[in-house]
Amino acid sequence: IAGITQAPTSQILAAGRRMTLRCTQDMRHNAMYWYRQDLGLGLRLIHYSNTAGTTGKGEVPDGYSVSRANTDDFPLTLASAVPSQTSVYFCASSDGAADTQYFGPGTRLTVL
Amino acid sequence: GQNIDQPTEMTATEGAIVQINCTYQTSGFNGLFWYQQHAGEAPTFLSYNVLDGLEEKGRFSSFLSRSKGYSYLLLKELQMKDSASYLCAVRDGDYKLSFGAGTTVTVRA
Repeated sequence: IAGITQAPTSQILAAGRRMTLRCTQDMRHNAMYWYRQDLGLGLRLIHYSNTAGTTGKGEVPDGYSVSRANTDDFPLTLASAVPSQTSVYFCASSDGAADTQYFGPGTRLTVL
Repeated sequence: GQNIDQPTEMTATEGAIVQINCTYQTSGFNGLFWYQQHAGEAPTFLSYNVLDGLEEKGRFSSFLSRSKGYSYLLLKELQMKDSASYLCAVRDGDYKLSFGAGTTVTVRA
């Protein structure tokens, strides 16, 4: 089934540890996005990529990094996790930056 | 930046109609989206408005007034499965989406 997959589904992580959240799409979409969703705040954009080989910063990029080596994959890395990064992380993709975004199932991350 | 406001919660009866309002202030505007999100699941696309007026899609309709910075999502003939959060999102001049905090709709029998 075509769509977006994210891994892991959930993770508990000790503060200070490094963590990479994986996102893969098989729709050949050019643009991909990472959001975090926190209660009462809605979805906030962390980083985005309009096409393979390019990335940009969103609203809340600090503490996170991304790479876009190919069209399908867009991993999000927390270099040294902190408790404030406890959240649900959603990856999304769209055919182009001006097109509708479709979301993956999310990763629930808890940093202790 | 964007400022997007929508009510936190709404409750309605099965078979009724509910209207979820969304107001926004934006630096550049390239469309307004509504997403539905069931608890513990991903947001799913419902509707898109870029011009003023009403877009109808089955039991769901969405309205936009750009001059007023206002949109609403209308849910008709409510069903229990419509209990979910509804997210209003505005696309800015750089084609980035900003989301409201979401409106949780509870449908009662």
